[in-house]
Amino acid sequence: NAGVTQTPKFQVLKTGQSMTLQCAQDMNHEYMSWYRQDPGMGLRLIHYSVGAGITDQGEVPNGYNVSRSTTEDFPLRLLSAAPSQTSVYFCASSYFYEQYFGPGTRLTVT
Amino acid sequence: GQQVMQIPQYQHVQEGEDFTTYCNSSTTLSNIQWYKQRPGGHPVFLIQLVKSGEVKKQKRLTFQFGEAKKNSSLHITATQTTDVGTYFCAASFGNEKLTFGTGTRLTIIP
Repeated sequence: NAGVTQTPKFQVLKTGQSMTLQCAQDMNHEYMSWYRQDPGMGLRLIHYSVGAGITDQGEVPNGYNVSRSTTEDFPLRLLSAAPSQTSVYFCASSYFYEQYFGPGTRLTVT
Repeated sequence: GQQVMQIPQYQHVQEGEDFTTYCNSSTTLSNIQWYKQRPGGHPVFLIQLVKSGEVKKQKRLTFQFGEAKKNSSLHITATQTTDVGTYFCAASFGNEKLTFGTGTRLTIIP
């Protein structure tokens, strides 16, 4: 099993550009989530999904969209990138309670 | 929103000394999880505590959940260089979402 995979590992965007961060898991987990990690602020929940076709907002959803068309994939879309979205983004999946995190995407918005 | 306070933010210890990090909530928690993130890595699940007053041990790590289910601690006995990293608590307030603490970064002085 590959576990949770994320692409790309690094990305630089200009303000106003859009992009999609990819996340996939091969463990057949129903629950998936996106977090952003900023220095001194821990991990903050952006969006989450309890199954295919179901998504909900987390703590910091503004500026981000998600969809869940399959159990395996949970992409995160930045609609119009802003410098405040410079961060490390982690995708996670879980079956019961233990969350499995991907390796992260380091995003810089200039 | 519901928050979890984690202290201290940083801890520098001599190798062989003990280390403790604390998480506190003003609201009763359903359960609390602990994660470890090595420098440059992603969070890795350590344990979940569910019951009031619960104590669990993993080798040199001792996890406690308060009687009122509003606080938790992680204690490491006789730290080793392999313990370096940031330790996060993550709380559930009764739904599937997790709220992470801000983390305690542990550095070891050899």
